[in-house]
Amino acid sequence: NAGVTQTPKFQVLKTGQSMTLQCAQDMNHNSMYWYRQDPGMGLRLIYYSASEGTTDKGEVPNGYNVSRLNKREFSLRLESAAPSQTSVYFCASSDPSGVYNEKLFFGSGTQLSVL
Amino acid sequence: QKEVEQNSGPLSVPEGAIASLNCTYSDRGSQSFFWYRQYSGKSPELIMFIYSNGDKEDGRFTAQLNKASQYVSLLIRDSQPSDSATYLCAGLDSSYKLIFGSGTRLLVRP
Repeated sequence: NAGVTQTPKFQVLKTGQSMTLQCAQDMNHNSMYWYRQDPGMGLRLIYYSASEGTTDKGEVPNGYNVSRLNKREFSLRLESAAPSQTSVYFCASSDPSGVYNEKLFFGSGTQLSVL
Repeated sequence: QKEVEQNSGPLSVPEGAIASLNCTYSDRGSQSFFWYRQYSGKSPELIMFIYSNGDKEDGRFTAQLNKASQYVSLLIRDSQPSDSATYLCAGLDSSYKLIFGSGTRLLVRP
């Protein structure tokens, strides 16, 4: 059982380049999320999708776009990368059974460096 | 701005001691709280959640919630070197999104 799979694990971009981070989950979860993690900043929500066909902005959406391709897949796109987007990116999914049990399952992360 | 605050640490305790990790939150609409453990270079994993005032115990871990004081804590009894990690506190805000603190780094000395 793979859980949440993210690709790539590492990426180096030049300023202005574009790329898409891929995420897929095999747990039949409705909700999917993209977070970024910077030193001393904790995890910050970029975008989330509560269900197939819906996406919403999180705390730090500027410079990113997302696509919920189907129930399994949720991609994150950087159209024109900037050094400020150097970070570790985590995809996560959940199937909240109620307001009291928002357990997130995380992918292994993508280390992105923008030069 | 909804915030979850944690001391970044590191919190250093000897093996066998009780480690006490603390967290405060600003959103009074937050109903439930989560503690995630993150080893260096790895992804976070959920270790406990709590939504009622008081204590919740699971093995060596006890989560405590005081909604009046907007305070959440995690106690780790009989700390082991394998508990050395960063512990992230998160609150579910009134729009049902998780807001994470910046994490507390715990070091358990053998």
